[in-house]
Amino acid sequence: QVQLQESGPGLVKPSQTLSLTCTVSGGSISSDTYHWNWIRQPAGEGLEWIGRIYSSGSTNYHPSLKSRITISLDTSKNQFSLRLNSVTAADTAVYYCARRYSGTNWFDPWGPGTLVTVSS
Amino acid sequence: QSALTQPRSVSGSPGQSVTISCTGTSSDVGGYNYVSWYQHHPAKAPKLMIYDVTKRPSGVPDRFSGSKSGNTASLTISGLQAEDEADYYCCSYAGSYTWVFGGGTKLTVL
Repeated sequence: QVQLQESGPGLVKPSQTLSLTCTVSGGSISSDTYHWNWIRQPAGEGLEWIGRIYSSGSTNYHPSLKSRITISLDTSKNQFSLRLNSVTAADTAVYYCARRYSGTNWFDPWGPGTLVTVSS
Repeated sequence: QSALTQPRSVSGSPGQSVTISCTGTSSDVGGYNYVSWYQHHPAKAPKLMIYDVTKRPSGVPDRFSGSKSGNTASLTISGLQAEDEADYYCCSYAGSYTWVFGGGTKLTVL
C-alpha cells in the first residue's frame, strides 16, 4: 500500500525559499500510472491545489503561484519536491502531498501534512 | 480560479441525514463530472470519500453519497454516526490540468 510522507523545515523567513520533500513508499514514483501533487491549507482556510508532476517530468502549477513554484522528481530516492520562492506570511500553511491516477481527477492517498510557518 | 463555495458548518443528530453543498461555476463543477469529496479529521491525512460526482471508493460506507445539479455538487451522509464528525472538502477539475477545492464544511454530530 502506497504511503506518502512530507518533510522539510517548519519555519521559513519572509522572502526566502520554502523547500519540502514528499517520500513515497510502497510504490515507484517513476510509474507512468501516477501524477504527484502538492496541496496546501492555510490556517482557517480551505484546501488549495498548488501543482503536480508526472513521471516524465512535466508539470502544471496553480496560476497564482506559477512564477514562484517548482516541483521536481528524484527517482533515485523515490521522492518529489516543492520549492516556493519569495515566500510571505500568506504562504504559511499545512502542505500535503498526494497521488493522482493518470486519467482521473481525484487524490488518493495523501500524506499527513507538514506545517510551514513563514515568519522572521 | 476561485475556491468552490461550501457552507461553513452543518450539524445533525446520530441517525439523521445531512447534505453539504459545493457551488462552483460552469468552468469547474458545472463543466465536468469530476467532483470529489474528502473527509478530514484534525492532524490526519484527508481521505477520499466520493469521486467522479457519485462513485464511492472501496471501503467507504454506502451512507455516503454524491450528486450534482448544474454548478452545484452535494455530499449526503445518511445515518449519521459520531465518527462522521470531521471537515469535508469538495474538489473539482477546473480545466488545463488544474483543480480547485472548496473552503471546507465542519460537520458536527450533536
